[in-house]
Amino acid sequence: DAGVIQSPRHEVTEMGQEVTLRCKPISGHNSLFWYRQTMMRGLELLIYFNNNVPIDDSGMPEDRFSAKMPNASFSTLKIQPSEPRDSAVYFCASSLRGKVSEQYFGPGTRLTVT
Amino acid sequence: SQQGEEDPQALSIQEGENATMNCSYKTSINNLQWYRQNSGRGLVHLILIRSNEREKHSGRLRVTLDTSKKSSSLLITASRAADTASYFCATSTSGSRLTFGEGTQLTVNP
Repeated sequence: DAGVIQSPRHEVTEMGQEVTLRCKPISGHNSLFWYRQTMMRGLELLIYFNNNVPIDDSGMPEDRFSAKMPNASFSTLKIQPSEPRDSAVYFCASSLRGKVSEQYFGPGTRLTVT
Repeated sequence: SQQGEEDPQALSIQEGENATMNCSYKTSINNLQWYRQNSGRGLVHLILIRSNEREKHSGRLRVTLDTSKKSSSLLITASRAADTASYFCATSTSGSRLTFGEGTQLTVNP
């Protein structure tokens, strides 16, 4: 199994640009999570999906952030327009819903907004 | 505020020693999990303990859970340099969502 796949691994962009982060969960997993990790705020849950449906987006910081899951094998997190304070490592994780189970994390995307 | 809070924030020990990290939480939970994060990597699940369990073992890992005190501990025995990482506890209260603590940075010196 390839595990959770994220792309790109690194992204450097200028303030005001649109950024799209991508995630492919583990096949068969039906819950998907987007997290953001910074030194100041630690690991924060932004949004999660069950069976491709957004369940809780209360962690999404602003309207500049949006996430979609068009099918069971793909999700995107978009930031438009990006700001320097969005610089962080963004992780995608997946798990089996309806079961007490662990989450499997991708390697993360390190985003730098200048 | 964070559901889980780890203690200590940083721990430095010698290879072969045991490492103990603690986690406290605020509300009732379904289960508690421990994760490890190596520098520059994603989190890796280590062990899960359910709310009706008191102790669990996995290899050199031992986890305890005291729901009356709302606390858990992770013990790594006979530590190795490769155990150097950040360790996070995560609590599950309902559904699939986990709430992570701030982590303990463990350094094992060879």
